[in-house]
Amino acid sequence: QLHLQESGPGLVKPSETLSLTCTVSGGSISRNNYYWDWIRQPPGKGLEWIGSIYYSGNTYYNPSLKSRVTISVDTSENQFSLKLISVTAADMAVYYCARREYSGNYFDYWGQGTLVTVSS
Amino acid sequence: QTVVTQEPSFSVSPGGTITLTCGLNSGSVSTSYYPSWYQQTPGQAPRTLIYSTDTRSSGVPDRFSGSIIGNKAALTITGAQADDESDYYCVFYMGSGTSVFGGGTKVTVL
Repeated sequence: QLHLQESGPGLVKPSETLSLTCTVSGGSISRNNYYWDWIRQPPGKGLEWIGSIYYSGNTYYNPSLKSRVTISVDTSENQFSLKLISVTAADMAVYYCARREYSGNYFDYWGQGTLVTVSS
Repeated sequence: QTVVTQEPSFSVSPGGTITLTCGLNSGSVSTSYYPSWYQQTPGQAPRTLIYSTDTRSSGVPDRFSGSIIGNKAALTITGAQADDESDYYCVFYMGSGTSVFGGGTKVTVL
């Protein structure tokens, strides 16, 4: 059974960089036909797709966040990571990592999510 | 900018049927957008219900069904149960590796 687990600081100061890692267990991140995605949800609000990465390193980003987001993959550690620069209070959210199945383009496995608070 | 619209809220009586919809500001929804649907209860990660328009994810009861109705994607709950009270989100694949979520529909069963 695939398991995804987010990790990283739960508190980030305004203007600084948010960094999170998703560790994948129970399966290889290098499998064909799967993307690895980041999704976030501000408190009391809806879900927002941030971006995704293929194990080869190809990345795809939400146009509204593209200038501030970098997603990377470490196949040796079976992890992928999110960096969001210049954060503001609007970036406070629960951040989820998820696996996206290529042919159906849907999220089939989700992490439990991690809350990141932006505050000085 | 792509905007995906969902009804903000919906109420249904136990045993009743509701159809939630998911539209695109750019035009009609088709299967090529690979509509998918997710259920989320407070404090929990989303759960996959439907993908590729009408395919139920493993373990999802058959009272949940997906379709395209008119120019929108639709999720129908037939015979609603108390534990169907949740938020429901649709997602469209927009091509070039990008996805977009709808704003979500809060379903109340009462």
